[in-house]
Amino acid sequence: AQKITQTQPGMFVQEKEAVTLDCTYDTSDQSYGLFWYKQPSSGEMIFLIYQGSYDEQNATEGRYSLNFQKARKSANLVISASQLGDSAMYFCAMREVNTGGFKTIFGAGTRLFVKA
Amino acid sequence: ETGVTQTPRHLVMGMTNKKSLKCEQHLGHNAMYWYKQSAKKPLELMFVYSLEERVENNSVPSRFSPECPNSSHLFLHLHTLQPEDSALYLCASSQGRQGNQPQHFGDGTRLSIL
Repeated sequence: AQKITQTQPGMFVQEKEAVTLDCTYDTSDQSYGLFWYKQPSSGEMIFLIYQGSYDEQNATEGRYSLNFQKARKSANLVISASQLGDSAMYFCAMREVNTGGFKTIFGAGTRLFVKA
Repeated sequence: ETGVTQTPRHLVMGMTNKKSLKCEQHLGHNAMYWYKQSAKKPLELMFVYSLEERVENNSVPSRFSPECPNSSHLFLHLHTLQPEDSALYLCASSQGRQGNQPQHFGDGTRLSIL
């Protein structure tokens, strides 16, 4: 079974609007971390935001926020006020602290297109 | 220099060639990783080194041979590769196995096997 599921292969958003990228995960570990990365067409993977399984507040980093719903095992990324430079692949990822060792498990990604 | 640096950025090689990919991190991290990213597939973890010891090896063919001489450098030696090995190879580093520590990635080496 997939541990990280990103159901949106591609998303379009109008510049300056907000967009939500979906991510669901599956783990039996009580302690885990959730990450979002951005990958522009140039190839580098850029860390955006982190949410710990015990964090009660949703994480925020500038225009990025993470809508964490632990009971539903979802960790959606919200990008506010989209910019043309936000066009990229976005990956959701998870590290299982007790059972995962050094592994970070990545989803298949969502390609975001920002329209002018 | 800061961050994670990978060289070369692009590599084209024949199936009988031997080449090496290099990764260097300037973040003071003690764990380094090799990932393979193929089209339309999730990132695949290949190897993990922690404190210069290999701690993860995910059933990678022996034609890929990693080397970690110190905590700042990681190599991936390539020999007798196959066309299906064409992909983007990403190096990453992190501070140990702490669950809240993100991995920092290099720009990748785009490898094409003729």
